[in-house]
Amino acid sequence: GAGVSQSPSNKVTEKGKDVELRCDPISGHTALYWYRQSLGQGLEFLIYFQGNSAPDKSGLPSDRFSAERTGGSVSTLTIQRTQQEDSAVYLCASSLGSGAFFGQGTRLTVV
Amino acid sequence: DQQVKQNSPSLSVQEGRISILNCDYTNSMFDYFLWYKKYPAEGPTFLISISSIKDKNEDGRFTVFLNKSAKHLSLHIVPSQPGDSAVYFCAADTDKLIFGTGTRLQVFP
Repeated sequence: GAGVSQSPSNKVTEKGKDVELRCDPISGHTALYWYRQSLGQGLEFLIYFQGNSAPDKSGLPSDRFSAERTGGSVSTLTIQRTQQEDSAVYLCASSLGSGAFFGQGTRLTVV
Repeated sequence: DQQVKQNSPSLSVQEGRISILNCDYTNSMFDYFLWYKKYPAEGPTFLISISSIKDKNEDGRFTVFLNKSAKHLSLHIVPSQPGDSAVYFCAADTDKLIFGTGTRLQVFP
């Protein structure tokens, strides 16, 4: 597709379950970013990929969070043993240089 | 430690008037800045950018000003329209985008 695609658009999960969020970046974009926005908060950086490697994981809130990117394209953000404070909109963006283009986000609700 | 700050969480402006959104940063090495607009339930969309070699960049109703000595940038929207009502984020572009906390702009008739 022409833009960044994220799936699912909405996810409701029970506390303690694992979830996987997917991001399809714009074709050819080498950089991929994950951010999250909690209710009433700004955009919180989680992790950044350049190709398949992640030079900056500094934003991952805990070791329950992990992400991978395969083939320099699709990325998956995994949250293990979800907690209620993980509820947020998770945004993926991709870039080929300056600036970035965002997907529509995945709204995660942990109940 | 917030490296990019938007100190006004909200702004209300009458249609047709100018909206001025402000952003401050702490790192003088930052040299490229962007503004994004975000509607509810959508991802942020790129609006306008500025490089530190310039102090102004204009695109239609949107103008971004950069004051490097003050480490301050601002987004001017004139004339403001109701469709401009959204949350506006400024960002510094390093190896990743570092965002401010956003300013919710409401343009009323």
